[in-house]
Amino acid sequence: AQSVAQPEDQVNVAEGNPLTVKCTYSVSGNPYLFWYVQYPNRGLQFLLKYITGDNLVKGSYGFEAEFNKSQTSFHLKKPSALVSDSALYFCAVSPGYGGATNKLIFGTGTLLAVQP
Amino acid sequence: EAGVAQSPRYKIIEKRQSVAFWCNPISGHATLYWYQQILGQGPKLLIQFQNNGVVDDSQLPKDRFSAERLKGVDSTLKIQPAKLEDSAVYLCASSPSRGHEFFGQGTRLTVV
Repeated sequence: AQSVAQPEDQVNVAEGNPLTVKCTYSVSGNPYLFWYVQYPNRGLQFLLKYITGDNLVKGSYGFEAEFNKSQTSFHLKKPSALVSDSALYFCAVSPGYGGATNKLIFGTGTLLAVQP
Repeated sequence: EAGVAQSPRYKIIEKRQSVAFWCNPISGHATLYWYQQILGQGPKLLIQFQNNGVVDDSQLPKDRFSAERLKGVDSTLKIQPAKLEDSAVYLCASSPSRGHEFFGQGTRLTVV
């Protein structure tokens, strides 16, 4: 069965410092991996995805994520955190990309709190 | 482009009542999803449509939940009768034939 783990319920970081939000996964075959962000009273917003190719993927708002097949990880990173980055972040895995195979299996979420 | 539209945004009902949620996906998106997000948890897929047909409803509590997608566009999700544990945010999402999912703002259901 495919699953996603986000080991940290909350990550605290000072504004201007680098941030990392961790994600590990358990899948069979080749994974498709995603990060979504959820602001209060808002729907989930797509940040970035890994489908194939370069292990370092860049996404919206200066975020990036590194796919590590040997460690089955897909950690979200940003070089310099902003207070406006404070939100709930979800890692997700999918058996496919697009169409009928594209259902997402989500982790439990990590609350990112950036202090000014 | 216009996003995924959901209504209502909030709903409070008593247990054993029925409720319905509506979703209008992004134009041209063939795939539509309903997710349930309980407080403190990640979203869980309830049902997935490809055009008019159901692709996956393995986690849909079929004794009380039902969903339909008319003409391959709009969709409704119904709960009848509602239980206290159905209190959650119900998210609708759509995706093109090749691409990631776009989510609506969700409907927050409170069952009292």
